[in-house]
Amino acid sequence: EAGVAQSPRYKIIEKRQSVAFWCNPISGHATLYWYQQILGQGPKLLIQFQNNGVVDDSQLPKDRFSAERLKGVDSTLKIQPAKLEDSAVYLCASSLAFGRPTWQYFGPGTRLTVT
Amino acid sequence: EDQVTQSPEALRLQEGESSSLNCSYTVSGLRGLFWYRQDPGKGPEFLFTLYSAGEEKEKERLKATLTKKESFLHITAPKPEDSATYLCAVRLRGGGADGLTFGKGTHLIIQP
Repeated sequence: EAGVAQSPRYKIIEKRQSVAFWCNPISGHATLYWYQQILGQGPKLLIQFQNNGVVDDSQLPKDRFSAERLKGVDSTLKIQPAKLEDSAVYLCASSLAFGRPTWQYFGPGTRLTVT
Repeated sequence: EDQVTQSPEALRLQEGESSSLNCSYTVSGLRGLFWYRQDPGKGPEFLFTLYSAGEEKEKERLKATLTKKESFLHITAPKPEDSATYLCAVRLRGGGADGLTFGKGTHLIIQP
């Protein structure tokens, strides 16, 4: 089966600019997650969607980050305006079931550099 | 406060030299402990899920175990292709919010 797709793979922007990342989960996976992974750290959950509804966005910096999953399939994560500390890899993951013991499949990530 | 702590941060072994990686957690009501492997420039790849103390899972040269406070990833007779960062994560939240909380990982290097 095809894995989680993300684009772009790399992005370089200046601080105060805006940027958007796209994710297409594995077909049939209802749950979608965005994680931020800073160099040398483990991934940190930003937001979880179930279909097109938000389940958990408690760690999303809502003053500058936003995410949507309009049709319950692909998703977009946006940062506006970007700060230097947003430099990280943004990982998208998906899983098959909601609330059941299952693991998450991760995409390759988008590496963001803010200068 | 860290809820998931992995040790060591880095480990260098000779090919064939067995060892163990540690993941300790300070949460109650564990709803699953996960081990992932991450290669440079790639997303984490799922290895194991453990749910209750005493549970063990094996895959090739890897074996994961779980106690009430920690998990171990044992690697037996490793090969250079086992070199990667190994991440431990726990599922904490309830009510359907099942995002993972990760440790910082153990960077493992296997020298030929």
